Amino acid sequence: EAQVTQNPRYLITVTGKKLTVTCSQNMNHEYMSWYRQDPGLGLRQIYYSMNVEVTDKGDVPEGYKVSRKEKRNFPLILESPSPNQTSLYFCASSPSLRYSNQPQHFGDGTRLSIL
Amino acid sequence: TQLLEQSPQFLSIQEGENLTVYCNSSSVFSSLQWYRQEPGEGPVLLVTVVTGGEVKKLKRLTFQFGDARKDSSLHITAAQPGDTGLYLCAGGAAQSGGYQKVTFGIGTKLQVIP
Repeated sequence: EAQVTQNPRYLITVTGKKLTVTCSQNMNHEYMSWYRQDPGLGLRQIYYSMNVEVTDKGDVPEGYKVSRKEKRNFPLILESPSPNQTSLYFCASSPSLRYSNQPQHFGDGTRLSIL
Repeated sequence: TQLLEQSPQFLSIQEGENLTVYCNSSSVFSSLQWYRQEPGEGPVLLVTVVTGGEVKKLKRLTFQFGDARKDSSLHITAAQPGDTGLYLCAGGAAQSGGYQKVTFGIGTKLQVIP
């Protein structure tokens, strides 16, 4: 089954404790992206990757890091989480977003609470 | 930054009623997508429209892209409880290098009461 898998689905942690949210897709998609979804603010892009070893900042990259060493994986790293990073996070993948707006396939989300 | 405004933000209707939700911007988009998101899940694509004035139908859902490619609407005929969810519009615009920047609206939360 074609899917985007995020782990964990839920996490409660404390300020300053490094964490990683994993994202994996099995569709051989070139493009992957991370979003956060907050009430009243909608989906905002954190980072995206056009292909392996190619990453770039989205609209709200502060406090986050990403890497794309393999095509299927795109982990989101919070080196020193803070309470304002409490949010619902989505990973998405697409065949490509070069020259056309192809559908994005989303994971089921990671609800992150930072105390 | 290109912005997409969706209205209304919340809508609660009875089963069988018709409704229209709107997605507006002052910017031109090369394409416009509509997604539906259910609680505990990620958004799922419903449709992509790319030509100004384009109309697409998906069963009881009708999507229209404005002539100037700055706005879009989603019309649902005879709403069903299964239509309940968050409806998101997403506009794509070409950036340098040919990459499509996708901007999401805040969404319209629809509740259809049986």
